[in-house]
Formats: sequence, C-alpha cells, structure tokens
Amino acid sequence: EIVLTQSPGTLSLSPGERATLSCRASQSVSSNYLAWYQQKPGQAPRLLIYGASSRATGIPDRFSGSGSGTDFTLTISRLEPEDFAVYYCQQYGDSSYTFGQGTKLEIK
Amino acid sequence: EVQLVESGGGLVKPGGSLRLSCAASGFTFSNAWMTWVRQAPGKGLEWVGRIKSKTDGGTTDYAAPVKGRFTISRDDSKNTLYLQMNSLKTEDTAVYYCTTLRRWHFDLWGRGTLVTVSS
Repeated sequence: EIVLTQSPGTLSLSPGERATLSCRASQSVSSNYLAWYQQKPGQAPRLLIYGASSRATGIPDRFSGSGSGTDFTLTISRLEPEDFAVYYCQQYGDSSYTFGQGTKLEIK
Repeated sequence: EVQLVESGGGLVKPGGSLRLSCAASGFTFSNAWMTWVRQAPGKGLEWVGRIKSKTDGGTTDYAAPVKGRFTISRDDSKNTLYLQMNSLKTEDTAVYYCTTLRRWHFDLWGRGTLVTVSS
C-alpha cells in the first residue's frame, strides 16, 4: 500500500500570504491518480484538485497543484480568510485509495 | 440539485450490525461509481470501499480493515447506495461519507452520518 505523508502538519500563515503544502508518496504515483481536498470543521471534504494539477469545478484559480512521481504540492497563491482549513492529498493504486494524514492551515 | 444524503447511523454495540443508506439525486446514479469514506472523530480520512456501475461490472473492492465484514450494494431503481456493516468494532466509530467516484478521485460528497460502536 502506498503511504502518503503530508507536511507540515500545521501551517500558520496570514491572509494574503502564499501557502505551500507538500504530499510525499512512499512509491511513485501516476499524476492522474493524485488529488487534493479541503475540509472545514463540521463539513464534508471538498475536491479541489485532481490529476495532480486540474482544478475541480468552481475552485478559484488561486489554488494550484503540481508535482510528479513521489512529490506533489498544493499551492494557494494568496490566502483568503475562507481558505483556513485542513487539506488532504489522496492517491489511487491497486484498486485501493489512500489519504495523507492532513495539513492544518491556520491563521497566524 | 446534485446531492448525496446519508442516513442510518447511530449507536450500536460491538459485534452488532448496521446498514447505512445514501440517497442520490440530480445526476444519473446508475452510471456512477460510488464509494464510502469514513473519518474517526478528530482523525483523517479513510477509504472504506467502492462499487462500480453495473455497466462496468458492478464489482466491489474494500479496504483491508473492513474486508469480510462490510458489504456495499446499490439499487439503481431507487438511486440508493448501501453499506451493510457486520461484526462492528469500536474502531469502526466514525462519520461515514458517501461519495461519487471519478475512477481515481472522490467528486461529490454527502454530509455524512455518524456511527458509534460502544457498549
């Protein structure tokens, strides 16, 4: 099973700043199979990015994804107050799906 | 409106059974691959299992922790997904989300239903 490790565990930034979240896989992942989600307290997760770099419907262009192989990144170019949440990466492989443990993005 | 609505959660004793339902609307359910994802209190997300559309074989796959205890099924005539959970353990306590599956990622999510396994 492919293990996804997200870093940092918690990221403290201010609105307007740039956020860079990392997701590292224990073995190579096809870019098609890497996605990112946002979850706010008390809410279901929401798909942000799929195929490593494609934005889901309705997702603002300040969110972008990149990477390949074992290293993937979610970047939020200029943080808005509503962006403070927990972010998860997710991969597919061998008829199974795994998530990273999450990065909490909090207001500094 | 495109939505998924889960129901059937509650308190159950260890070793007991529970069936969750997920009512779909606003899209062609019969064409959709569907999954269940769970989240233990204060923890991260864990995939539970998936079912393909009948046109793609209707087969199921499960995560190791639930294989042999949980069964996913669908009734396309009712636009409803099910999760039958047997031999429940305390570690199955979680919010269970129903989602659509675009082959490799989870697209539309329901709001979830809480399952608590406790004596």
